[in-house]
Amino acid sequence: GENVEQHPSTLSVQEGDSAVIKCTYSDSASNYFPWYKQELGKRPQLIIDIRSNVGEKKDQRIAVTLNKTAKHFSLHITETQPEDSAVYFCAAIPELKAAGNKLTFGGGTRVLVKP
Amino acid sequence: NAGVTQTPKFRVLKTGQSMTLLCAQDMNHEYMYWYRQDPGMGLRLIHYSVGEGTTAKGEVPDGYNVSRLKKQNFLLGLESAAPSQTSVYFCASSYSRGRNTEAFFGQGTRLTVV
Repeated sequence: GENVEQHPSTLSVQEGDSAVIKCTYSDSASNYFPWYKQELGKRPQLIIDIRSNVGEKKDQRIAVTLNKTAKHFSLHITETQPEDSAVYFCAAIPELKAAGNKLTFGGGTRVLVKP
Repeated sequence: NAGVTQTPKFRVLKTGQSMTLLCAQDMNHEYMYWYRQDPGMGLRLIHYSVGEGTTAKGEVPDGYNVSRLKKQNFLLGLESAAPSQTSVYFCASSYSRGRNTEAFFGQGTRLTVV
């Protein structure tokens, strides 16, 4: 099955700086790569996703890049703000496989934005 | 729409007791999942279901059973609770492949086994 590794496990940045989280995956059939944000005491929620036919996707201050050859993808947060403090999870999903939507997450990255 | 609703939100069990966690979704999703999240962040897949009447094991299935008798409900059972099962449990649901596959999570169930 799919194995997703995520780094770093914790990330502390100064407000206004950028944050980058990296994930690698093992299944070359994976074609859908979502990112979830979990604020303290709350449920994970999708913040951005990308499919394998696209190399980069942006949504305001967040962006995701994908390198299918190297099997890695990254989340970039620019101009970080205190409300970006949360745990972020990546996942890689082979949508076209039978039972392909089994969601396997990376280990998570705790991001702390210091004012 | 309620989305994904978990029942109960909190529970304290004694070692050896049993309980069932209920997950209900009103989005007509085919896929449903149960995860546990221990201190330190990670979401580990316990069991999942790709449709009514089907279930499959995830990464950490031991000590848990599940059932999906109705498409909208996914039940997680603990037959004999152990302190190692103290965790926050999240249910999630999504459409199957070929459609918008965003997963929606319930609010979580905080379970303590003493």
